[in-house]
Amino acid sequence: DGGITQSPKYLFRKEGQNVTLSCEQNLNHDAMYWYRQDPGQGLRLIYYSQIVNDFQKGDIAEGYSVSREKKESFPLTVTSAQKNPTAFYLCASSGLAGPNTGELFFGEGSRLTVL
Amino acid sequence: KQEVTQIPAALSVPEGENLVLNCSFTDSAIYNLQWFRQDPGKGLTSLLLIQSSQREQTSGRLNASLDKSSGRSTLYIAASQPGDSATYLCAVLTGANSKLTFGKGITLSVRP
Repeated sequence: DGGITQSPKYLFRKEGQNVTLSCEQNLNHDAMYWYRQDPGQGLRLIYYSQIVNDFQKGDIAEGYSVSREKKESFPLTVTSAQKNPTAFYLCASSGLAGPNTGELFFGEGSRLTVL
Repeated sequence: KQEVTQIPAALSVPEGENLVLNCSFTDSAIYNLQWFRQDPGKGLTSLLLIQSSQREQTSGRLNASLDKSSGRSTLYIAASQPGDSATYLCAVLTGANSKLTFGKGITLSVRP
């Protein structure tokens, strides 16, 4: 089935460690996104990419890094520079052509807890 | 800067009731508006997408309307069921930066 797969679903990290969250899509979408969701704050955009080997910062990029070496994959690294990394992270993708251009599809999310 | 508002933050209704969820936005220069459903601890599921040239979209018991000039969208749920209990979010894609702006969502509880 087509969709977006995020892993791991739950992740625990000690302070000072970098962690990488995986996001893979088989929808043949050009654009991919990473959002962070915190209680009472809604979704905030971390990074997005509209084409392989190119990506842009979103509203809260500090302390995060991404890569887009393949169309299907958009991993997010939460670095030790991120001061409040405990959150629910959501990956999404969208097509940039066709009748439903811009329709966003989400993965099931990854919950990161810093101990 | 685009701002999206969803009021109230929470809603509780008895089963079988028809209900309307509201979404308002400040910048009418949008490409599209999308409604999502989110169950606790899960990702977002796309419900309906309305392009800027459209006035409404329907899927089963759901109907979403868009009025760009007034900066409003409504999601109508007919004959609500306990399984409809979830958080409903709207998001708009704005032309200025081609990024989605989300509302904070409405948490719906449908009582049996």
